[in-house]
Amino acid sequence: RKEVEQDPGPFNVPEGATVAFNCTYSNSASQSFFWYRQDCRKEPKLLMSVYSSGNEDGRFTAQLNRASQYISLLIRDSKLSDSATYLCVVNLVYGGSQGNLIFGKGTKLSVKP
Amino acid sequence: EPEVTQTPSHQVTQMGQEVILRCVPISNHLYFYWYRQILGQKVEFLVSFYNNEISEKSEIFDDQFSVERPDGSNFTLKIRSTKLEDSAMYFCASSVARTGRFSEQFFGPGTRLTVL
Repeated sequence: RKEVEQDPGPFNVPEGATVAFNCTYSNSASQSFFWYRQDCRKEPKLLMSVYSSGNEDGRFTAQLNRASQYISLLIRDSKLSDSATYLCVVNLVYGGSQGNLIFGKGTKLSVKP
Repeated sequence: EPEVTQTPSHQVTQMGQEVILRCVPISNHLYFYWYRQILGQKVEFLVSFYNNEISEKSEIFDDQFSVERPDGSNFTLKIRSTKLEDSAMYFCASSVARTGRFSEQFFGPGTRLTVL
């Protein structure tokens, strides 16, 4: 069973659209949750952490449902510059673990004019 | 803004050769990581390093791989005898504390390794 599973995409949306990405994770020991963004052939960059109560950062809203092991990201009023691959990432921390990131394969978003 | 740097940006090598990938983590960070991403696939954890020793490693990180922090700034990944399937983008990352909600891992720009 895949550890972090995401919508396969790609999502092709017009500017100004609202788009939602979903993610499920298999390990209930996962303790921290993140959305990263990755531009083509670049490194992953943290978009936002995901808190249990849900959190918002400008046009971006993240939700976490621990019972369902489900994470979501909502992007409102999408911009051309939002075009990227969005990576759902969980962090397993146990015992002496330093907390290694487990990545989903990512969902590609393409925002068109 | 401080950043993780990696050299070289692209390394081409022949199968069976040794390669060393170099990283300079952010200066006050204490935890260091290597990840790899095969083209078109997900980012995969290789190894974490803290207090001058390996903290954890994945099953990918076999005897062909080693890491070292030879001085106060560099963090290296060595592949002893490269295979074709080692071709990937290798990312170094660092964090100030154990990764969690309040301690982000910062990624370097990556080294693209091509094994011929």
